Amino acid sequence: DADVTQTPRNRITKTGKRIMLECSQTKGHDRMYWYRQDPGLGLRLIYYSFDVKDINKGEISDGYSVSRQAQAKFSLSLESAIPNQTALYFCATSEASSYEQYFGPGTRLTVT
Amino acid sequence: EDQVTQSPEALRLQEGESSSLNCSYTVSGLRGLFWYRQDPGKGPEFLFTLYSAGEEKEKERLKATLTKKESFLHITAPKPEDSATYLCAVHRGAQKLVFGQGTRLTINP
Repeated sequence: DADVTQTPRNRITKTGKRIMLECSQTKGHDRMYWYRQDPGLGLRLIYYSFDVKDINKGEISDGYSVSRQAQAKFSLSLESAIPNQTALYFCATSEASSYEQYFGPGTRLTVT
Repeated sequence: EDQVTQSPEALRLQEGESSSLNCSYTVSGLRGLFWYRQDPGKGPEFLFTLYSAGEEKEKERLKATLTKKESFLHITAPKPEDSATYLCAVHRGAQKLVFGQGTRLTINP
């Protein structure tokens, strides 16, 4: 089984809808991250969490919110989706003692 | 501002034709440089971490090297299964990574 899982893997939604992307991990890592990937722009950090009580904004947090429900679960929400949020979304994890991040398989989100 | 620039954007090689990918960076107080491999429709897969100039890491046909301003990913005698996008990232503190845009590598049989 994969160490970092994301659901759904693909999602098509309409402008203005609320959507939640979920991430679960079995690696036992404390730190979790949400990134988006766009062609030509690379991976950009949306939010990150160092433990259940710690949530931090990344470089592109506007229009997004997150929830760290447990050490193993980190969710990303789009409160009112807009077309320019169409992208690949990745969750990642890391140990507190290491800078190496391990990525999930991604969610392809399309907002029409 | 921390920046990571990868070149070339795309590289096409014949099977067995060795080459190198470049990652140039500007960051104050480098805490680590990372290489990832990403296959289409999948998440990045961790390859290497380099921490200081002069350091080298190897894995199968890949070798990563680091200087004070750039890193190279050398690919020796590549095979078609080495085709992927290779991403470079630098650690900028608080465990936040800054990624380059990647090099799309294609190995033709």
